[in-house]
Amino acid sequence: GAVVSQHPSRVICKSGTSVKIECRSLDFQATTMFWYRQFPKQSLMLMATSNEGSKATYEQGVEKDKFLINHASLTLSTLTVTSAHPEDSSFYICSAAQGVNTEAFFGQGTRLTVV
Amino acid sequence: AQKVTQAQTEISVVEKEDVTLDCVYETRDTTYYLFWYKQPPSGELVFLIRRNSFDEQNEISGRYSWNFQKSTSSFNFTITASQVVDSAVYFCALKGVNAGNMLTFGGGTRLMVKP
Repeated sequence: GAVVSQHPSRVICKSGTSVKIECRSLDFQATTMFWYRQFPKQSLMLMATSNEGSKATYEQGVEKDKFLINHASLTLSTLTVTSAHPEDSSFYICSAAQGVNTEAFFGQGTRLTVV
Repeated sequence: AQKVTQAQTEISVVEKEDVTLDCVYETRDTTYYLFWYKQPPSGELVFLIRRNSFDEQNEISGRYSWNFQKSTSSFNFTITASQVVDSAVYFCALKGVNAGNMLTFGGGTRLMVKP
């Protein structure tokens, strides 16, 4: 299958700082990328959907000003957690798809710890 | 609305036992896709299978087999002769044709295979 690379795999940051997570499709152009959050021992919850060149669509309850998503190119989407707090500590995972109703491939995930 | 239910939150078996992970789904779409993913402790999601709603044939891949029953809206996953390396969290997911590429995940089943 296609390769989606997510970086970093782990990050520890201080409360109040911002953290950027990158999601890259390495061998295909991703018109759509998804960002999920997974708390310990829970399922993956969709945070937002981003389409290249347009604003992301956030799921209910997800603060768009706190979780900034940029999908400026067909191979890169970034998620920036602004003014991070300990409760933002979680596993963040992205997925990328080439087109509508095509297979979506997952990145390796980023484990964020806010101290 | 889409919903996926994995009623078993945790299953513990002894190596070489067979184990079935249940998945029940709800969707209003007549065309949809069902998935199973494995999430080992490292966190990445490993794609196992995709099945579309028009293909009710059961599938076998090595020790893995899947039983799709449209009449009961179920897509169960069986591991035959389980091994310790099968220990992971397994997610069932659904994508309706009208949902773009958005996946709805079940709550996951944590499988522990003891030697």
